[in-house]
Amino acid sequence: EAGVTQSPTHLIKTRGQQATLRCSPISGHTSVYWYQQALGLGLQFLLWYDEGEERNRGNFPPRFSGRQFPNYSSELNVNALELEDSALYLCASSPSESETQYFGPGTRLLVL
Amino acid sequence: LAKTTQPISMDSYEGQEVNITCSHNNIATNDYITWYQQFPSQGPRFIIQGYKTKVTNEVASLFIPADRKSSTLSLPRVSLSDTAVYYCLGSNTGGFKTIFGAGTRLFVKA
Repeated sequence: EAGVTQSPTHLIKTRGQQATLRCSPISGHTSVYWYQQALGLGLQFLLWYDEGEERNRGNFPPRFSGRQFPNYSSELNVNALELEDSALYLCASSPSESETQYFGPGTRLLVL
Repeated sequence: LAKTTQPISMDSYEGQEVNITCSHNNIATNDYITWYQQFPSQGPRFIIQGYKTKVTNEVASLFIPADRKSSTLSLPRVSLSDTAVYYCLGSNTGGFKTIFGAGTRLFVKA
């Protein structure tokens, strides 16, 4: 069974640009979660989508947004990039009846 | 949602049993306790989950006392490849908001 996949693996942007990160959940999983992990730090919860709806978001500014598509894949958009947005962005998925999350390999975003 | 507290780091040697304890004093009645393992530049990997007493799988054991204010992840006979960050978290079904703490950095030495 294929795991959670994320693309791209690496992304380099400059300040002020916009970044789009993509995630495909495990087949049958309806929930998708996004996390930010700065170098050497823990995971910071960003967003949770389930059945196409945003269910909750962490303490991040509105320039962090996303959506979930009918096939349960998801996009994370970061507008007006800042240097401190450089981090590993992790996506996880879970079945609707469980909160155990299965993580993808992440997208490494570097903002110059 | 339960806030968790873990040791920042631990050292061990190959072949030893490692026990990592996590405190979650305000765990809610419907919170499960889940442990994840993370290697550098990779996403966390689910290790084990429990609600109370003891749970064992092929990777680890999880001990949860009756008051559920703490839990202990037990890794039998660790190897160098078990060097990683281990996170414990309490969360309830539905993933309302999942809070990962700083985790415990385990260093396994030869």
